[in-house]
Amino acid sequence: SQTIHQWPATLVQPVGSPLSLECTVEGTSNPNLYWYRQAAGRGLQLLFYSVGIGQISSEVPQNLSASRPQDRQFILSSKKLLLSDSGFYLCAWSLGDQGSPLHFGNGTRLTVT
Amino acid sequence: AQSVTQLDSHVSVSEGTPVLLRCNYSSSYSPSLFWYVQHPNKGLQLLLKYTSAATLVKGINGFEAEFKKSETSFHLTKPSAHMSDAAEYFCVVSGPSSGGYQKVTFGTGTKLQVIP
Repeated sequence: SQTIHQWPATLVQPVGSPLSLECTVEGTSNPNLYWYRQAAGRGLQLLFYSVGIGQISSEVPQNLSASRPQDRQFILSSKKLLLSDSGFYLCAWSLGDQGSPLHFGNGTRLTVT
Repeated sequence: AQSVTQLDSHVSVSEGTPVLLRCNYSSSYSPSLFWYVQHPNKGLQLLLKYTSAATLVKGINGFEAEFKKSETSFHLTKPSAHMSDAAEYFCVVSGPSSGGYQKVTFGTGTKLQVIP
């Protein structure tokens, strides 16, 4: 069966520090991968998605970036965090066809201080 | 183009009474539709999905949803609410993008409160 791992679960970082969140998927090949953010009281915002290694699409311009160095690994990064980067970050995967649901990790609570 | 509207941001029910969470969608194609549940500080869990088979879809934890094309609706129901159902629920539509990839659109969520 397929599983998705996302870490860390919580993170407190000062403004201006770098960020690296990692997500890995097991049990499937060539998944679509997604990074979402939930800010307090707001819905899910799609940040990045990837349909293959090295293929990253950005939905929202910001100081975050994403990389997919391996088929089942998706990394969210920032060189310098802003206060507004605080939120709940969710990684997800799907098989990529219309009828495939997204499967989510447990999320990372990021607090930028 | 596709969109999804969750008609209520908050719903409050008493334990043991029925639950109705409303969702309307629009899509240029025959969409796939999903409902997810999110408990505080947790990821989203798939409750059920509709992918053009039976219009009445049964999911986990006693939830079900009915796809009504004429009303462009996909409302989520449960006959009897349990305290553990208190959470946020998201309606999701999935279809093809202009580039041929899967495009997923989330509703803004409905917070369900269950009163003992």
